[in-house]
This record gives sequence, structure tokens and C-alpha cells, in this order.
Amino acid sequence: SQQGEEDPQALSIQEGENATMNCSYKTSINNLQWYRQNSGRGLVHLILIRSNEREKHSGRLRVTLDTSKKSSSLLITASRAADTASYFCATAKNSGNTPLVFGKGTRLSVIA
Amino acid sequence: ETGVTQSPTHLIKTRGQQVTLRCSSQSGHNTVSWYQQALGQGPQFIFQYYREEENGRGNFPPRFSGLQFPNYSSELNVNALELDDSALYLCASSLAGDSGGYTFGSGTRLTIV
Repeated sequence: SQQGEEDPQALSIQEGENATMNCSYKTSINNLQWYRQNSGRGLVHLILIRSNEREKHSGRLRVTLDTSKKSSSLLITASRAADTASYFCATAKNSGNTPLVFGKGTRLSVIA
Repeated sequence: ETGVTQSPTHLIKTRGQQVTLRCSSQSGHNTVSWYQQALGQGPQFIFQYYREEENGRGNFPPRFSGLQFPNYSSELNVNALELDDSALYLCASSLAGDSGGYTFGSGTRLTIV
């Protein structure tokens, strides 16, 4: 079963705009990770945020985590056509190699 | 360093058949996890292998089984294939004790007809 939901399910924006995707989850977590998937192929790890962190940055990516609301957001700034992909959040209950529980993903389309 | 390699990339099988999917983990990684991703859904955890032993299992029936070899590569075997087994099967490797994220392969697209 899925841990939670990404919102929106699909997002279409113009190149240069910012894209924000949200993720909600149901149970307590150790960390939350965001992954990207192009055209139904492999997942690429983007960023990991631990439960004691509130915000994290990596290049054009900004992730926030609110454990009181059991939610996270991924912001992609100055989007490019190459950012077109599906984005998934995944939660880990414990540290280490605990199994990931994924949401259903947000399909992002960036129009040039 | 090499990434995670999966084979084959595509496979078509008929109901009732058996299939074996293969995964070579990233150099330096000793843990392998398998996920099933149905069309339009997020990946779902099947099981994980560490030190050649199953080290956690999701909600999948026993006809889904696996192996890990001394070089940390892994196989996923599925018996008595059903139409609902059609999916993208993803392998992910990691280093035990490291919660820095997983490295995923490109997946095997399995179609059951």
C-alpha cells in the first residue's frame, strides 16, 4: 500500500517558472527522500531530508519537511524542459536500509 | 564507479510461466532491494537481501522469491505468472547502515500476456 499522496497528480508549467510539489504521509518517519523518474525508467535520488531537519537545498531544489503535519514539499526553481519527469516522495521508517514507501508521484511537464 | 545494472530491459511472458530478473549492484554496495511499479503507481517494496539472506519483505506472495550472490548481485524469480504481474521491476542497491539514499537501476519492463 502507498504511504501517502503527492499533490498535484500532474503539473504543467512554462520554462523558467517554479514548480512546487507536495507530499503527505501517514506514519512517523526517520527520513523522507525525493526521487525523479523519466519515462517510466529508473529512479534517480534527488535529496534526502531527515526528520530533525526542516529545510534542505541542493542546486535548484529546495525541500521542506513538517513532521507535525506529516508533509513535505519539493520546489524546483527556474524550471527547464529537461526537468519534465515524474517526481516521487518516499519515506523511510528507520535509519539505514529500511524499505522505502513511495507515493503515487507527480507528473511534471515543463513547456519550452 | 559503476551504477546498478538490470537485465533484461524488456520481457514478455505468458500466464503461468516463470521468470528470472537480474541485478548487479553498484560497486561498494552490499544490500539489494526489489520494487514493483505498476503503470501509473509508485514503486512497492517486494523484498531486500543482505549477506545473501532475505532481510525484509513486503506484501507479496511466496511465488516472488529472490537470491543474492557473494558478489552482491541479485535475482528476482516469479513463478506462476499472472496478468497483474505486468509491471516495471526496479532493483536498488545501498550500503548497509547508510541511510543516504538508494541507487536504482533502469528496471525491467515485464509484460504478461
